Amino acid sequence: EVQLVESGGGLVQPGGSLRLSCAASGFTFSNYAMSWVRQAPGEGLEWVSAVSGSGHSTYFADSVKGRFTISRDNSKNTLYLQMNSLRAEDTAVYYCAKEGYYDSQVDYWGQGTLVTVSS
Amino acid sequence: QLVLTQSPSASASLGASVKLTCTLSSGHSSDAIAWHQQQPEKGPRYLMKLNSDGSHSKGDGIPDRFSGSRSGAERYLTISSLQSEDEADYYCQTWGTGIHVVFGGGTKLTVL
Repeated sequence: EVQLVESGGGLVQPGGSLRLSCAASGFTFSNYAMSWVRQAPGEGLEWVSAVSGSGHSTYFADSVKGRFTISRDNSKNTLYLQMNSLRAEDTAVYYCAKEGYYDSQVDYWGQGTLVTVSS
Repeated sequence: QLVLTQSPSASASLGASVKLTCTLSSGHSSDAIAWHQQQPEKGPRYLMKLNSDGSHSKGDGIPDRFSGSRSGAERYLTISSLQSEDEADYYCQTWGTGIHVVFGGGTKLTVL
């Protein structure tokens, strides 16, 4: 059974940093690209960032480019999102998502972790 | 630019069928998409991938009541025999070079 468990969310001041983690199990982690998707309160889903299975290729939404970095440790089956220079508009539930083998359709979701950026 | 357009809301009666629409932007009428469901206060759940030939492959445990189809640039999610637990937000998603992943704005389905 595929499981994705996020952690690391919390309250942070504007300009601060936070690192999210996603522990994966139930599949061969290194074979799949992984994404982070967020959802601001009352809003829809917004793709944030993705990393290839090897970790060599990374992708970012324009809204977070230059502030967020994505990485993975395939030996630990764990995905990370380092968020720097946080803004109020980054407040959202952040979901870890597994992509398909051939395409980037999301086929499994984590339960999400809430990030609140506020003074 | 790769954009997915969804109607903000839809409604249908308990036991009836409903067809939700997701429209691909110009130049992307042959692209595949995925459908996701988000019940109130829950995380999203993958429903299915709808391929460019109209075939679809469902996620784990997705009932037969959920099906997908296409016509031109439009992609459909049909839910038959509506149940109260089908009341949810439904998102389409696609992917491409440069943009990687994009979501539609979502459709809020109300079961009357």
